[in-house]
Amino acid sequence: QSALTQSASVSESPGQSITISCTGTGSDIGGFNFVSWYQQHPGKVPKLIMSDVSSRPSGVSNRFSGSKSGNTASLTISGLQAEDEGTYYCASYRSVNTVVIFGEGTKVSVL
Amino acid sequence: QLQFQESGPGLVKPSETLTLTCSVSGGSISGSGYSWAWIRQPPGKGLEWIGAIYPRGGINYNPSLKSRLTMSVDTSKNQFSLTLNSMTAADTAVYYCASDYSKGEFDHWGPGTLVTVSS
Repeated sequence: QSALTQSASVSESPGQSITISCTGTGSDIGGFNFVSWYQQHPGKVPKLIMSDVSSRPSGVSNRFSGSKSGNTASLTISGLQAEDEGTYYCASYRSVNTVVIFGEGTKVSVL
Repeated sequence: QLQFQESGPGLVKPSETLTLTCSVSGGSISGSGYSWAWIRQPPGKGLEWIGAIYPRGGINYNPSLKSRLTMSVDTSKNQFSLTLNSMTAADTAVYYCASDYSKGEFDHWGPGTLVTVSS
């Protein structure tokens, strides 16, 4: 059950923008819009910050935006703030075996 | 607002069976339209979907755990449970229960419970 592919880490200065990518296959990201993103601070519970590729749950900052192209989903964080530091995981429904697959996680550091 | 609380042993011996229960408050476990999921995270590692129970009673498991895993719902107690047998050190993780309002979109999570497999 291979995980979705994410870059291991990304660093950027406050106020800048970053984009985290999540690559899968046609059986998951490419075939469905059931892509979600989670933010996890160290020692904390993951928090849903994006669903259905680009829908922000209530209360999530509009600095977060999501998109998808082909087999790759992306999360963009604009106006980076110190509180955005943490690890971000993507997840997708996968039709093979009808499962949910998570990405490996991307650690975001604000310089 | 749904709230979850996982309960179970924090320490399990190798080859033994783990049983975890997730108590749900703030809503009914039946008829809500949610699926009920278990997710785990080994220390320092990423998230792994364990399985889910669907609104109409269907259950789906992670194929890598399927042979050792059983999930169930107790609507009378507003709880759902996970049983994982033949535990090994590789099963050491924080185990979370969560609600899934679509296919893999987990909007409410329990605080998690650390399960360590050690003799």
